[in-house]
Amino acid sequence: NAGVTQTPKFRILKIGQSMTLQCTQDMNHNYMYWYRQDPGMGLKLIYYSVGAGITDKGEVPNGYNVSRSTTEDFPLRLELAAPSQTSVYFCASSYTDFYEQFFGPGTRLTVL
Amino acid sequence: ELKVEQNPLFLSMQEGKNYTIYCNYSTTSDRLYWYRQDPGKSLESLFVLLSNGAVKQEGRLMASLDTKARLSTLHITAAVHDLSATYFCAVATGTSGSRLTFGEGTQLTVNP
Repeated sequence: NAGVTQTPKFRILKIGQSMTLQCTQDMNHNYMYWYRQDPGMGLKLIYYSVGAGITDKGEVPNGYNVSRSTTEDFPLRLELAAPSQTSVYFCASSYTDFYEQFFGPGTRLTVL
Repeated sequence: ELKVEQNPLFLSMQEGKNYTIYCNYSTTSDRLYWYRQDPGKSLESLFVLLSNGAVKQEGRLMASLDTKARLSTLHITAAVHDLSATYFCAVATGTSGSRLTFGEGTQLTVNP
C-alpha cells in the first residue's frame, strides 16, 4: 500500500492564482483531512470529510474549498492565492474518528 | 474554543536521562493522540489514548491520559539521539470526534 499520497511536493504561486492540491489514499479509509502547518507551529485543520459526498469546515477554512466524490480522493482547492496561504499542507486519513490519522508527505506551497 | 498547550516547547537533554513532556487542554475530551515529526518530514503516529487512565508504552516512550485533569504526559526513559524530533499532542473534539486540535509541539534534542 502507498498509504496517503500528495501532489505536488512543492509549488510556487503568484498572488491571485489558483491551484488544486491532490490527495489520494489506498487504505479504504472513510475519514480524510486537510491541515496546514506554519513554520514552528502545530497543525490547523482546514476541512475534513467523513465519507464520499460529505465535507465540513475545520478551524481555518477561509480561502479554501474541498470536494469528495470518491473514497480515495480528497482534493483541496485554493482560489485567489494570498501570501498568508504560504504553508506546508498535509493530507491525512483514518478508518474512523477513533483511530489514528495517517499523514501524507506534505505539499510545500509558497505564494509570492 | 479548545486550547492545547504543550510544555516545554524546547527540550535539550543528554542521552541516558529521563524527562516528561506535558500536554494540557482546556475542554472535555477523552481522545488524545501523540505524533512525532522529524525535520522536513510528515507526522508519524505514536500513541492513541482513548479513555481516562489509558497508558501506552513503546520502547523508551510512555504516554498517559488523565481526562479529569485534562492532562497527558509523554515520558522519555533513558533518551537516545534517535529520539530527537518534534512531538505533538492532539486532542479530539466535535460530535464525531473527527476534529483534532494540535499543540504547538515540543522540539526535543538529545545530545550525546
